[in-house]
Amino acid sequence: DTEVTQTPKHLVMGMTNKKSLKCEQHMGHRAMYWYKQKAKKPPELMFVYSYEKLSINESVPSRFSPECPNSSLLNLHLHALQPEDSALYLCASSQGLISYEQYFGPGTRLTVT
Amino acid sequence: GENVEQHPSTLSVQEGDSAVIKCTYSDSASNYFPWYKQELGKGPQLIIDIRSNVGEKKDQRIAVTLNKTAKHFSLHITETQPEDSAVYFCAASISPGSARQLTFGSGTQLTVLP
Repeated sequence: DTEVTQTPKHLVMGMTNKKSLKCEQHMGHRAMYWYKQKAKKPPELMFVYSYEKLSINESVPSRFSPECPNSSLLNLHLHALQPEDSALYLCASSQGLISYEQYFGPGTRLTVT
Repeated sequence: GENVEQHPSTLSVQEGDSAVIKCTYSDSASNYFPWYKQELGKGPQLIIDIRSNVGEKKDQRIAVTLNKTAKHFSLHITETQPEDSAVYFCAASISPGSARQLTFGSGTQLTVLP
């Protein structure tokens, strides 16, 4: 089973709202990733967690705040977003930081109004 | 850093024909090359990958070839079917010191015409 689940599927939020995206995997993977994907573009890496610790932050604005409560869960807290932050937010996981295969979830389609 | 170029950006084929998508990479240290298929409204799905110690890999109707000397790799889909219609992304990854990061190509929209 290579399933990564994400909730919600769609999210519409105003610029003053606070919301969270959730990602879950039960493959025993120890590395988890957040990507942002704009229409007709490839995914762009935002954050990488390994063993529940933040390993990589690709200079993402502080209005995006990741959290890894345990090895199966990854959250992305959103606050004071801008319309240009509207995108598909993808979660992925791999066995470890240097493992080869990364498996993606279905994504959350975020619209900021 | 690594740069991956992918061609063509769009590809239309008749059902039953073959489709080929090509990628080139810049960093000779890259050693892992996955291909992802992304259908409309879905996340990328890993469909096949190849490591630098292998020249070709097949899985039913799909195959990937790697030419390390020329720094390019290709996805081959034979006997295409309408359900193969999707955006395909290639990626390259360097053996990391800390974390393996994927550098993606720009994507190819494949349309299989019935």
